[in-house]
Amino acid sequence: EAGVVQSPRYKIIEKKQPVAFWCNPISGHNTLYWYRQNLGQGPELLIRYENEEAVDDSQLPKDRFSAERLKGVDSTLKIQPAELGDSAVYLCASRGSRVSHEQYFGPGTRLTVT
Amino acid sequence: AQKVTQAQTEISVVEKEDVTLDCVYETRDTTYYLFWYKQPPSGELVFLIRRNSFDEQNEISGRYSWNFQKSTSSFNFTITASQVVDSAVYFCALSEARGGADGLTFGKGTHLIIQP
Repeated sequence: EAGVVQSPRYKIIEKKQPVAFWCNPISGHNTLYWYRQNLGQGPELLIRYENEEAVDDSQLPKDRFSAERLKGVDSTLKIQPAELGDSAVYLCASRGSRVSHEQYFGPGTRLTVT
Repeated sequence: AQKVTQAQTEISVVEKEDVTLDCVYETRDTTYYLFWYKQPPSGELVFLIRRNSFDEQNEISGRYSWNFQKSTSSFNFTITASQVVDSAVYFCALSEARGGADGLTFGKGTHLIIQP
């Protein structure tokens, strides 16, 4: 079974530029999460999807961040415009059923804003 | 609000030594889930274990064991006879109930260094 796929793995952009990250969850996983991990810290939740519905986006900085999960499968996280403080690793995770509580993480996208 | 504290920022031991990683959590829910994840240098978070709040039984998996104590709100992780491949950052995490679909609240992680 393929794991969570993310692309790109690395991205370097200048501040004020837009950037987008893509995630393909494990097949059949209805719940999808985006996390941000700053250097030396644990991941922090940005948004959670149940199928195509964003059910928890309270931690998403909505002035510059947006996300979508069309058709309830792949998801895209966008930042526009990027700021220096957005440099971090952006992790996508997915979860199967309500019985199984484990979240499975992708390799992440390391964003550097210069 | 929920919180996870991993007080040990970095631990360094010599191979074959036993090592325990501490995790203390805070939550107002009576039903919750605790996790440990491993993050090797490659960066991908690897799931190790999940424990339900109503199951205080300790668990052993090979060289890994976990001690869950609700009385002290702790969920500690022990590696027996450590190996160089165990070197990684280890995260403890908490998820409150409501179907268990909540996002995880992570601690800051413990960087474990196993020296040959």
